Amino acid sequence: KAGVTQTPRYLIKTRGQQVTLSCSPISGHRSVSWYQQTPGQGLQFLFEYFSETQRNKGNFPGRFSGRQFSNSRSEMNVSTLELGDSALYLCASTSRGQNTGELFFGEGSRLTVL
Amino acid sequence: QKEVEQDPGPLSVPEGAIVSLNCTYSNSAFQYFMWYRQYSRKGPELLMYTYSSGNKEDGRFTAQVDKSSKYISLFIRDSQPSDSATYLCAHPRSNQFYFGTGTSLTVIP
Repeated sequence: KAGVTQTPRYLIKTRGQQVTLSCSPISGHRSVSWYQQTPGQGLQFLFEYFSETQRNKGNFPGRFSGRQFSNSRSEMNVSTLELGDSALYLCASTSRGQNTGELFFGEGSRLTVL
Repeated sequence: QKEVEQDPGPLSVPEGAIVSLNCTYSNSAFQYFMWYRQYSRKGPELLMYTYSSGNKEDGRFTAQVDKSSKYISLFIRDSQPSDSATYLCAHPRSNQFYFGTGTSLTVIP
């Protein structure tokens, strides 16, 4: 069974640009969540989608947005990039929902903003 | 106050040592806790989970929850160089997971 796939793995952008990251969950998993990981803050929750509906959103500005498609694939977008957006963005999927189920993570998309 | 707080480390131990990794949590109603392990350049993977209080053992790993002090611990016996990774404690609630900042562990051969 294929794991969670994230693309691209690495990318470099400049301030003010926008970026779109993609996540393909494990087949059959309907819940997809996104986390930002930085050395100082650790993993911080961005948002969670289940059956194309955003069920929860973390404390991030509106420049961070996401969506989920009918095949459970998900994208997140960051507009007007800032230097502080440099981070590893992790996508995770689960079959049982976020309250009790195990999260299966992808390897992440490492974003560098110059 | 963050929901889950973790000793930042880094921690460096010789091979064969017993390792203790610790977290504290803020809400006494929390009952479900997880430990994730993250190797360099990889995403986190579930190592162990515990429910309520007490100990749970899996091979060389033991997870412990002390509800009276709101303390979560992970013990690694006979540590191996392959245990070198970042360990994250986590708690799920309201359709999201709350993670500690992670403790980086290096086991020296």
